[in-house]
Amino acid sequence: GEDVEQSLFLSVREGDSSVINCTYTDSSSTYLYWYKQEPGAGLQLLTYIFSNMDMKQDQRLTVLLNKKDKHLSLRIADTQTGDSAIYFCAERDSSNTGKLIFGQGTTLQVKP
Amino acid sequence: GAGVSQTPSNKVTEKGKYVELRCDPISGHTALYWYRQSLGQGPEFLIYFQGTGAADDSGLPNDRFFAVRPEGSVSTLKIQRTERGDSAVYLCASSLGRESYEQYFGPGTRLTVT
Repeated sequence: GEDVEQSLFLSVREGDSSVINCTYTDSSSTYLYWYKQEPGAGLQLLTYIFSNMDMKQDQRLTVLLNKKDKHLSLRIADTQTGDSAIYFCAERDSSNTGKLIFGQGTTLQVKP
Repeated sequence: GAGVSQTPSNKVTEKGKYVELRCDPISGHTALYWYRQSLGQGPEFLIYFQGTGAADDSGLPNDRFFAVRPEGSVSTLKIQRTERGDSAVYLCASSLGRESYEQYFGPGTRLTVT
């Protein structure tokens, strides 16, 4: 079945770049997403990429998609302490419903 | 404009009781999703509504779980005979329609079954 995998934890220094990685299994997924979750809060849609794209840039965020290897990454430039959160990768299910399949999240810790 | 809202934000109930969790989607959004997030995990799909009908309920774990959306807007997730394993954060999301690729989440309801 569909599965999304992420590493669990990443620690960086303020000002460095962060790269969070994700692998997925459903090659027919049309959209792939990154959501951010701060403590006690819901999920905030950060960015998404259509499966026919290789890269998408949005201010400090860069998403890279390697469709052949089913690998997605999120790069955060100039990481700030406010970026500390859990980041979830998700793929849009290839059925007609549009439901999302999430990874278990990567906790990003930004040290001052 | 207003985002997705969920009430209550926290619910503590005793094992065996019945609970209802409410979701108010963004105005005009016809697609509504319920997910469940257990501690340390990503959200898992429960049920999807397009309009008033449940178009996909394949994620509901068993028949104790039921959801309705009678007028195509507000939705209620109902859990009967709650068990301790039902403790989780229940998240609601909405989008403009099934074809829309942007899904917006509410803050969730944290359910604790004692």
